[in-house]
Amino acid sequence: KAGVTQTPRYLIKTRGQQVTLSCSPISGHRSVSWYQQTPGQGLQFLFEYFSETQRNKGNFPGRFSGRQFSNSRSEMNVSTLELGDSALYLCASSLNFGAPGEQFFGPGTRLTVL
Amino acid sequence: QKEVEQNSGPLSVPEGAIASLNCTYSDRGSQSFFWYRQYSGKSPELIMFIYSNGDKEDGRFTAQLNKASQYVSLLIRDSQPSDSATYLCAVRGGGYNKLIFGAGTRLAVHP
Repeated sequence: KAGVTQTPRYLIKTRGQQVTLSCSPISGHRSVSWYQQTPGQGLQFLFEYFSETQRNKGNFPGRFSGRQFSNSRSEMNVSTLELGDSALYLCASSLNFGAPGEQFFGPGTRLTVL
Repeated sequence: QKEVEQNSGPLSVPEGAIASLNCTYSDRGSQSFFWYRQYSGKSPELIMFIYSNGDKEDGRFTAQLNKASQYVSLLIRDSQPSDSATYLCAVRGGGYNKLIFGAGTRLAVHP
């Protein structure tokens, strides 16, 4: 069974631009979570989607948004990019929503903001 | 107080020894506990999960959970240099709460 896929793998943007990242979960998985990982802050939770609805949200500004489609694929968008948004963005999928909720990560998208 | 706390390390152990990684959490209602391994430049990989008090063994790995003490640990027996990585503890509260990660412990296994 194919794992979680994320596109693109690498992205370079400049301040003020916006970016859209895509995630396809493991086949049959219906829940998708997004995380930001930086050396200083570790793995920070962004949001979690299930059945096309955002179910949980982390402490990020409104510039970070996401959505989930009927086939469980998910996208996240960051508008008005700042230098501090440079990070590895990870998507994780799980079978359903809620406990126990083992999550499986994709390879990530490395975003660099110049 | 952070929700999930881990010693950042590095924890250095000789090849063949037992590596012991620890994690404490603040939400007493937490129900699911996970250990992930992350190699440098890679994404986290799920290696163990535990829901009930006690021990759970999988090959060289043993996860231990003590809900009364709000403590979860990971033991790696016969440590190998390939085990050198950052180990992330993750905790999910009851019901539909999000998964919270600790900052990770860096493990270095030297020959």
